Amino acid sequence: QVQLQESGPGLVKPSGTLSLSCAVSGGSTSSSNWWSWVRQPPGKGLEWIGEIFRSGSTNYNPSLKSRVTISVDKSKNQFSLKLSSVTAADTAVYYCARASYYYDSNPFDYWGQGTLVTVSS
Amino acid sequence: QSALTQPASVSGSHGQSITISCTGTSSDVGGYNYVSWYQQHPGKAPKLMIYDVSKRPSGVSNRFSGSKSGNTASLTISGLQAEDEADYYCSSYTSSLRVFGGGTKLTVL
Repeated sequence: QVQLQESGPGLVKPSGTLSLSCAVSGGSTSSSNWWSWVRQPPGKGLEWIGEIFRSGSTNYNPSLKSRVTISVDKSKNQFSLKLSSVTAADTAVYYCARASYYYDSNPFDYWGQGTLVTVSS
Repeated sequence: QSALTQPASVSGSHGQSITISCTGTSSDVGGYNYVSWYQQHPGKAPKLMIYDVSKRPSGVSNRFSGSKSGNTASLTISGLQAEDEADYYCSSYTSSLRVFGGGTKLTVL
């Protein structure tokens, strides 16, 4: 059973950089899946941030692309998110998720529990 | 990539059936069978309920079914139960980009 666990600071100052990691257990970041980040502002819907494949290939939400970097550390079996120049609008629960490469729609079949990141001074 | 359009809320009585719609364009929902559906209970992570428009992952009740017509995908829940009360999101995957619907709150009366 694949498990994902987010970690990182729960509070980030405006104009700073949000940094989160997602540890993968029961599976491998070297497998043929997309490793993704999704966020959810309080009381609002889901927003896809971006994803990375084992090769290092990435896809990003065009609305966030200029501020987002997703990387993978296969030796630690984890992947990471960096979001720069954050504002209060970036306050959200951030989820890491696995998008299964084996199905046509590449659905998110495993999710982390989510971590709340608040942007405030 | 615009968000997919879902009704903000739907409701149904215990034992009845409901359908949640998800409208996109010919470039996403209508062009490919790359639609998935997620259930989210308050304070919990989303859970995959339907993928590839109409396929159910192992362990998901057969009361949940998916379909598509033109640019609109639909999630139908039959035999409504109290535990079905949750938020539901559709998602499309096209051209290496993903988009979610705005979400639908299901109330079981």
